[in-house]
Amino acid sequence: DSGVTQTPKHLITATGQRVTLRCSPRSGDLSVYWYQQSLDQGLQFLIQYYNGEERAKGNILERFSAQQFPDLHSELNLSSLELGDSALYFCASSVAIPGELFFGEGSRLTVL
Amino acid sequence: AQRVTQPEKLLSVFKGAPVELKCNYSYSGSPELFWYVQYSRQRLQLLLRHISRESIKGFTADLNKGETSFHLKKPFAQEEDSAMYYCALGNQAGTALIFGKGTTLSVSS
Repeated sequence: DSGVTQTPKHLITATGQRVTLRCSPRSGDLSVYWYQQSLDQGLQFLIQYYNGEERAKGNILERFSAQQFPDLHSELNLSSLELGDSALYFCASSVAIPGELFFGEGSRLTVL
Repeated sequence: AQRVTQPEKLLSVFKGAPVELKCNYSYSGSPELFWYVQYSRQRLQLLLRHISRESIKGFTADLNKGETSFHLKKPFAQEEDSAMYYCALGNQAGTALIFGKGTTLSVSS
């Protein structure tokens, strides 16, 4: 499958812990986006990278950080986790800016 | 600031009835508008964008800059249209799409 892949699909952890979510964009896509989906807030834009550099920041908490590596995969690090961080985290990629976003299946994070 | 408003959380219609999913945006520049759809157990995917002015699966959307709206319409709803629909706003600067909170469309027979 040459689409956007995200790992892990599901993750359960405790408050105060740290997790890393990984995203591999579609082949050839230089831009990676992270979104958080919760019942109350819908899809919230967190951060965007283009060819390894941060391009735009949205409502990303200071406890969260991300990076895009030379092979273009991206990681989203979530630390000092709180119950309210439980959500579905989506990664998307695109060829052009602006352009069609291609989404992964998401990583469901549950913080207990 | 960019903002997208989808006033309806849930829209329930009968098969064959017309559908209109509302979307209003706030942006001072030249907007790029999109509709994305998420069917059950599938990925979020692009349904249509305003610049293409095309009809996808019978859906159309017209950008009304005067009313800052981009409502999604379909004359006759089908059960397979049941899904979550998101309106999204982009811009020429190429920063990330801003999504509305989504509307769940439920079509019953």
